[in-house]
Amino acid sequence: EDQVTQSPEALRLQEGESSSLNCSYTVSGLRGLFWYRQDPGKGPEFLFTLYSAGEEKEKERLKATLTKKESFLHITAPKPEDSATYLCAVQPLGGGADGLTFGKGTHLIIQP
Amino acid sequence: DVKVTQSSRYLVKRTGEKVFLECVQDMDHENMFWYRQDPGLGLRLIYFSYDVKMKEKGDIPEGYSVSREKKERFSLILESASTNQTSMYLCASLNGFSSGNTIYFGEGSWLTVV
Repeated sequence: EDQVTQSPEALRLQEGESSSLNCSYTVSGLRGLFWYRQDPGKGPEFLFTLYSAGEEKEKERLKATLTKKESFLHITAPKPEDSATYLCAVQPLGGGADGLTFGKGTHLIIQP
Repeated sequence: DVKVTQSSRYLVKRTGEKVFLECVQDMDHENMFWYRQDPGLGLRLIYFSYDVKMKEKGDIPEGYSVSREKKERFSLILESASTNQTSMYLCASLNGFSSGNTIYFGEGSWLTVV
């Protein structure tokens, strides 16, 4: 069974304090790994898709990386507006719509 | 810009009422989804549709049904609402499953059943 585990569940950082969020996955062949940002009371907002080990993608202060077993979302010099829940999801090879598996998210708080 | 619109953001319904949640996407996507999101449980798939009039059960279909009469519109129906269906409901759409495609979400519908 496909599994996605995100850690930590919650993370509190000071503004400017860089850190990483982890997404560990078990899947029978990976088609894609997705990262989303979700603000309170809103739907998830797409950030990145990664397809193969070694791939990296960046957007502003965020950088996502992928290995064969996990993905990291690195946050460099975060600002209070980066506070949100970050969700990770995987899609296995050969999987259809029901093959998307989500983690439970990391709740990130950036204090000024 | 990609747009998935959920018609109702906040609803309060009584136990036993029939509830309709509507979702429209403007991207001509084939696949549409309904999830519910609860604290500590994450996103759980209720139903999905890969074409007009086609539907498949997700992980938690009990107590729900769906309708897809037009490609752009996917409706979630609670036949007889119960308090354990109080949740945030998220609609999403996706154009196929090849590399390069992304699932896009709506803003969510908060349903409270009293």
